[in-house]
Amino acid sequence: DAGVIQSPRHEVTEMGQEVTLRCKPISGHDYLFWYRQTMMRGLELLIYFNNNVPIDDSGMPEDRFSAKMPNASFSTLKIQPSEPRDSAVYFCASSLRHLQETQYFGPGTRLLVL
Amino acid sequence: DQQVKQNSPSLSVQEGRISILNCDYTNSMFDYFLWYKKYPAEGPTFLISISSIKDKNEDGRFTVFLNKSAKHLSLHIVPSQPGDSAVYFCAASARTPLVFGKGTRLSVIA
Repeated sequence: DAGVIQSPRHEVTEMGQEVTLRCKPISGHDYLFWYRQTMMRGLELLIYFNNNVPIDDSGMPEDRFSAKMPNASFSTLKIQPSEPRDSAVYFCASSLRHLQETQYFGPGTRLLVL
Repeated sequence: DQQVKQNSPSLSVQEGRISILNCDYTNSMFDYFLWYKKYPAEGPTFLISISSIKDKNEDGRFTVFLNKSAKHLSLHIVPSQPGDSAVYFCAASARTPLVFGKGTRLSVIA
């Protein structure tokens, strides 16, 4: 298996622009997670899905952030409008059947908002 | 409030010696703990885990110890190798999504 795939790997944009991050989880995995990593806050869980259904989005910082999972093999995290404080590395991860199972992370998207 | 704390942002160890990375937690409901390793420009990768019914789990050079009364776990790497240089994240779960610490950067010096 190719593992969790994320695109783009790097994104540089200007404040106010829309940013869309993409994730393809490992085939057959029921859970998908979106994380944000910053120096100050470490790895924060933003939202997670179970069988394509959003279960907990309490980590999403503001209404500017939204996430979708239209099918089992694709998810997006959208920021609109983007702000400089959104600059971070965003990771997608997936796990097989349970919340406590090992999560497999993608390589991340490094976002810089100017 | 941080439920999982890694109080040492960085650690340097000589090659061949033991590396000990520490993690403290506050939620007594946590019953499953994991360590992840992260290299630059890559996502975290699973290293080793331990259930709360155990106090030790070993996998090759890596051993995780759990002290439930102290709400403390540690990762021992013996012997340390230059390829172990990475950021190590502690994570915990109470049948909930994983809660991560902020990580400890380990540098193994040849």
